[in-house]
Amino acid sequence: GAVVSQHPSRVICKSGTSVKIECRSLDFQATTMFWYRQFPKQSLMLMATSNEGSKATYEQGVEKDKFLINHASLTLSTLTVTSAHPEDSSFYICSAPPTAPQETQYFGPGTRLLVL
Amino acid sequence: DAKTTQPPSMDCAEGRAANLPCNHSTISGNEYVYWYRQIHSQGPQYIIHGLKNNETNEMASLIITEDRKSSTLILPHATLRDTAVYYCIVRTKGGNKLVFGAGTILRVKS
Repeated sequence: GAVVSQHPSRVICKSGTSVKIECRSLDFQATTMFWYRQFPKQSLMLMATSNEGSKATYEQGVEKDKFLINHASLTLSTLTVTSAHPEDSSFYICSAPPTAPQETQYFGPGTRLLVL
Repeated sequence: DAKTTQPPSMDCAEGRAANLPCNHSTISGNEYVYWYRQIHSQGPQYIIHGLKNNETNEMASLIITEDRKSSTLILPHATLRDTAVYYCIVRTKGGNKLVFGAGTILRVKS
């Protein structure tokens, strides 16, 4: 099946710094990618939809100036957590629906962010 | 997309079949039932999906009731590695975002 990768797999940073997370579709092109956040023992919550060539669409309550999304190409989307704080510590997961007529979304392995 | 209801947790003996139920009473005619699972600290993994007919693949079987208001995911011979959170999601085929509910924590025990 299609493969989605994320980098880094885990990151520790100091409060106030910015962290960039990359999401790549490895063997297919994705005009759309989704970013989720998951706190411990909770379900995945959709944060935003990243669109190649246009602005991302954010879910209600998600600060677009804090979570910057750039869909640079048909295989790469990045999420930058700006001025990270301890409450931003979470598991961030991206997914991508293939542009071919497959029927499922494929998820990346996730990025564990810890803000000290 | 229609909402789904799943039991919060289930236990299953290793080697036995695991039957995970899902209610989706407000499902509409063009909505599919999808199942994903998430093993701890990993991204969700697609398992199976269906519209109205029962489906089977190498991982599992999906049984959908005739009125489509509920379904059951069956793992025929559960192993310890099947311990995970299982999510039942209803959405239109080719639809965009997936909305995750709380899912069912399946614990397979030896």
